[in-house]
Amino acid sequence: DIQMTQSPSSLSASVGDRVTITCRASQSISSYLNWYQQRPGKAPRLLIYAASTLQSGVPSRFSGSGSGTDFTLTISSLQPEDFATYYCQQSYSTFGGGTKVEIK
Amino acid sequence: QVQLIQSGAEVKKPGASVKVSCKVSGYPLSELSMHWVRQAPGKGLEWMGGFAPEHGEAISAGKFQGRVTMTEDTSTHTAYMEVSSLRSEDTAVYYCVTVRGENYRARYYYYMDVWGTGTAVTVSS
Repeated sequence: DIQMTQSPSSLSASVGDRVTITCRASQSISSYLNWYQQRPGKAPRLLIYAASTLQSGVPSRFSGSGSGTDFTLTISSLQPEDFATYYCQQSYSTFGGGTKVEIK
Repeated sequence: QVQLIQSGAEVKKPGASVKVSCKVSGYPLSELSMHWVRQAPGKGLEWMGGFAPEHGEAISAGKFQGRVTMTEDTSTHTAYMEVSSLRSEDTAVYYCVTVRGENYRARYYYYMDVWGTGTAVTVSS
């Protein structure tokens, strides 16, 4: 099975900050990479698929990049509702360990 | 609008089995690619397995092979996931989730779309 490694596992940031989360695959997965946001007690919500395609309804401050083994999720200006845990996923299978974004 | 309603919480002893159901409404189950994901308390998401649309068959993560059985009953619009030989590490919330494909730049990209209500399974002696 392909392994997905996210970093950092947690970070503290302030409203308005630019936040970057990375995800690395143990072997090339082309652009078959999704990003999800999960708020406490809720099911995950898709943000980005195909590494860089924004899902309908997701704010444009979210963006994704990368291909092969290295990927990035960027939040250009952190908003209060963005404090949550973020997961990368290879296609419909393995998830990364998650990155918890907390208020500084 | 697809909706997935799961069965209620379960408490099981180590070594037992648990079968979780996922009732589908709003779309034919036979036309959905159903998967299962679990989340242990305070931990991350863990993909268990499901129907691989590009292969036309069910697949599962290596660690669950031989211990997890996924089935569907299209007559009752219900998907099931059974885990056998339960251990304390299987304590988690189990979700059914549909997988959707998008044709983008001549390739199909799959992602998890609609999530079930979740079923809490506790394994304790």
